[in-house]
Amino acid sequence: DQQVKQNSPSLSVQEGRISILNCDYTNSMFDYFLWYKKYPAEGPTFLISISSIKDKNEDGRFTVFLNKSAKHLSLHIVPSQPGDSAVYFCAASGGQAGTALIFGKGTTLSVSS
Amino acid sequence: DTEVTQTPKHLVMGMTNKKSLKCEQHMGHRAMYWYKQKAKKPPELMFVYSYEKLSINESVPSRFSPECPNSSLLNLHLHALQPEDSALYLCASSHTPRTVGGQGPKFTGELFFGEGSRLTVL
Repeated sequence: DQQVKQNSPSLSVQEGRISILNCDYTNSMFDYFLWYKKYPAEGPTFLISISSIKDKNEDGRFTVFLNKSAKHLSLHIVPSQPGDSAVYFCAASGGQAGTALIFGKGTTLSVSS
Repeated sequence: DTEVTQTPKHLVMGMTNKKSLKCEQHMGHRAMYWYKQKAKKPPELMFVYSYEKLSINESVPSRFSPECPNSSLLNLHLHALQPEDSALYLCASSHTPRTVGGQGPKFTGELFFGEGSRLTVL
């Protein structure tokens, strides 16, 4: 039973445009939501997080939006750059998992120049 | 120092071997984690240590044995593994949520990951 779902396995965007990556969750006890970027054979790199008491968090080109009633979050990257091409994982923690992160299956973002 | 260091980076072992993966952090984190990641899959949680005590074991087979000798070190002992155990093993660490009235750093939920140990079981 997947608690964190990323339903789009891949996304292709042109350089300079907006990338929107989506994530849904089922566990209402989650209290932190994070986005990680990953390249093959490397550890995940933290991008941005949001706590469940907020609905938006912004850091440079990256903005995360949280809709608790819909149990949905999204990552916006504006403007997208070719160096953003990677696998993006949505993750959540809280409830029985405690501080451990539960990951979605990931979305592969390809940004073309 | 904001790094989680994992050794070795690559390990090849036979099914009868005994080996260990090591992880070290000096960020003062009191929670440490082992994850397993297969190709094209998300990281899967294996174990969580909180204040050097095992707090979560995600039904991992006993051929994987974790150990947390002190607050900076985390080991994963491997014995009698199977070829399907071949994967990238990721170590991570984090702060724990600030207790009410405590003086700890603000908790953001972030886990700091090492670069992983690539394990191949022959």
